[in-house]
Amino acid sequence: DTGVSQDPRHKITKRGQNVTFRCDPISEHNRLYWYRQTLGQGPEFLTYFQNEAQLEKSRLLSDRFSAERPKGSFSTLEIQRTEQGDSAMYLCASSLGETEAQEQYFGPGTRLTVT
Amino acid sequence: AQKITQTQPGMFVQEKEAVTLDCTYDTSDPSYGLFWYKQPSSGEMIFLIYQGSYDQQNATEGRYSLNFQKARKSANLVISASQLGDSAMYFCAMREWDYKLSFGAGTTVTVRA
Repeated sequence: DTGVSQDPRHKITKRGQNVTFRCDPISEHNRLYWYRQTLGQGPEFLTYFQNEAQLEKSRLLSDRFSAERPKGSFSTLEIQRTEQGDSAMYLCASSLGETEAQEQYFGPGTRLTVT
Repeated sequence: AQKITQTQPGMFVQEKEAVTLDCTYDTSDPSYGLFWYKQPSSGEMIFLIYQGSYDQQNATEGRYSLNFQKARKSANLVISASQLGDSAMYFCAMREWDYKLSFGAGTTVTVRA
C-alpha cells in the first residue's frame, strides 16, 4: 500500500494558463474524490468517481474545470484559463467504498498559485 | 446551511493533558458517518476516527475518542494525554448518502511543553 500520490506538489502559473493535476489512488480503491482547500478553511468537495464514472460534480466546479478517470485508475483535474481565485490546495482522496464506514485516504495535495 | 460547525478556531493545551474539540452537524439523512481528520503543517490529511450514526457505542482509537451525542447532533473529539506531535489542524467531517465528505472550518490545536 503506497498511499495516494499527487503530482505536481506545487504549481505556479500565470493567470489565463491551463494546468493539469494528476492523482494516483490506492490501487484497489474504486472511489476517487477531488477537494479544494483554501487557506484556513476545510476542504470543499469538487467531484468524485466510482471506477471511471464521474458520479457527482459540485457547483463549485465551473466550466473551466474538468476531471477524468480513464480506465478507473489515475485521475486528472484540468483547470483552463486559470484565475487568481483558483489559487488553493487541491486534494485527492480515494476509498474502497464497500462499507459506509470506509474512510477516505488523502494524498499530499497540489498547491496551486495563480499569479 | 453549514453541515458541520466547529466553533473553536484555536486551542492551547498543556502536554499530557486532555483536550476536547467541538463539532456539531446538521443532516436529515438517517444514515450518516462522522469522521475526524488531522492536518499537520505539512498538509496531508490523516484519518483519526469514525463514528456511524447507528453505532451504539462511542468510537475510540488509541488516545482518540469520539463523544457522540446523537440527539444533540454533536460529535466531539477527545484527545487524551496530549503530545507535542498533536499540534495540528483538526477537521470534523460528515458523510451522507452520497459518500462525499462535508468538512468544518477546523480547529488549530497547539500543545505546549
